Amino acid sequence: EAQVTQNPRYLITVTGKKLTVTCSQNMNHEYMSWYRQDPGLGLRQIYYSMNVEVTDKGDVPEGYKVSRKEKRNFPLILESPSPNQTSLYFCASSATGRTNYGYTFGSGTRLTVV
Amino acid sequence: AQRVTQPEKLLSVFKGAPVELKCNYSYSGSPELFWYVQYSRQRLQLLLRHISRESIKGFTADLNKGETSFHLKKPFAQEEDSAMYYCALGGFGNEKLTFGTGTRLTIIP
Repeated sequence: EAQVTQNPRYLITVTGKKLTVTCSQNMNHEYMSWYRQDPGLGLRQIYYSMNVEVTDKGDVPEGYKVSRKEKRNFPLILESPSPNQTSLYFCASSATGRTNYGYTFGSGTRLTVV
Repeated sequence: AQRVTQPEKLLSVFKGAPVELKCNYSYSGSPELFWYVQYSRQRLQLLLRHISRESIKGFTADLNKGETSFHLKKPFAQEEDSAMYYCALGGFGNEKLTFGTGTRLTIIP
């Protein structure tokens, strides 16, 4: 089944403790992206990647890092999480860098930083 | 800059009544518009793309470049339509999808 897989689904952590949220897609998509979803703010893009070893900042990149060493994986790294990063995170992928096909989304990761 | 505006955060409609979820956009190039739906505790799913001019689950949306709008419509609401709906904007040669803040649609039985 074609899908985007995120892990974990739920995560509670403490301020300052480094964490990684994994994202993997099995569709050979070139483009991958991370969004955070907050009430009243909709989805905001954190980082995106056009292809392997090519990443760029989205609208809200502060406090986040990403890497794209393989085409299928696009992990989101929080080096020193803070409470304002408590949010619902979605990974998405698309066949090409163009948006006309839309995105396929993962199931989401609900992160709580205390 | 590209921007999407969904003016209604909440919308309640009786079952069987028509539904219209509003979406306006701002974009200097040739826009590509989408509607995504998120059912309770599920991932976002692509509902419609303006370029395909399709009808999915009874929903349609027409791109009006003059009014810079892409409103989502359905003539007769069903209870299973209750969900969060997001309008999204991309563009030719543009890798970024910009989302609106979403409208939570509740269908009243």
